Amino acid sequence: DAKTTQPPSMDCAEGRAANLPCNHSTISGNEYVYWYRQIHSQGPQYIIHGLKNNETNEMASLIITEDRKSSTLILPHATLRDTAVYYCIVRVELPNSGYALNFGKGTSLLVTP
Amino acid sequence: DSGVTQTPKHLITATGQRVTLRCSPRSGDLSVYWYQQSLDQGLQFLIQYYNGEERAKGNILERFSAQQFPDLHSELNLSSLELGDSALYFCASSVEGSSDTQYFGPGTRLTVL
Repeated sequence: DAKTTQPPSMDCAEGRAANLPCNHSTISGNEYVYWYRQIHSQGPQYIIHGLKNNETNEMASLIITEDRKSSTLILPHATLRDTAVYYCIVRVELPNSGYALNFGKGTSLLVTP
Repeated sequence: DSGVTQTPKHLITATGQRVTLRCSPRSGDLSVYWYQQSLDQGLQFLIQYYNGEERAKGNILERFSAQQFPDLHSELNLSSLELGDSALYFCASSVEGSSDTQYFGPGTRLTVL
């Protein structure tokens, strides 16, 4: 299974862009990178996912390097409500076409006023 | 709001007891996943069901079992409870269960005394 490495914590000033890095150097060619976040003890919230190309939605942008060994999640204008633990996940394919999300420890992002 | 519902929100019980957690997936989703989040282990995949049938198993104890009913709701049964089973239990759902995004419910917090 491809593992991910993220910094344990980061700070960001409100209104600035938050850039959260993730290393996934053992990722396979057909494995997607997913980003979720968890605010306090709420259910994880889906943010974005990608395979090769950069992706953008209403919440964030995902930049994946050409060799796919790392990616960066960008929150363009962080707000206090973006304070959360952010998980970078390489989705795991299981026998019988099952899929699981292999959550690591994530990055605890603190957005400050 | 992801559209996934879980009941109850909180559950307090004693060691040795048995409890049932319930999950209703988003409308139209055929696959249900269960995850456990404890303080020391983080978020761990337990089991996946697709259209009533078990599709994938993760780190699920033999004392735990799950099922998905014809109306697609799912139940996670935990028996012979131990102190270490105290955790947040999350349910997620996806449309097909093979390659699509999982959306998480708000969780059930289980406390075993």
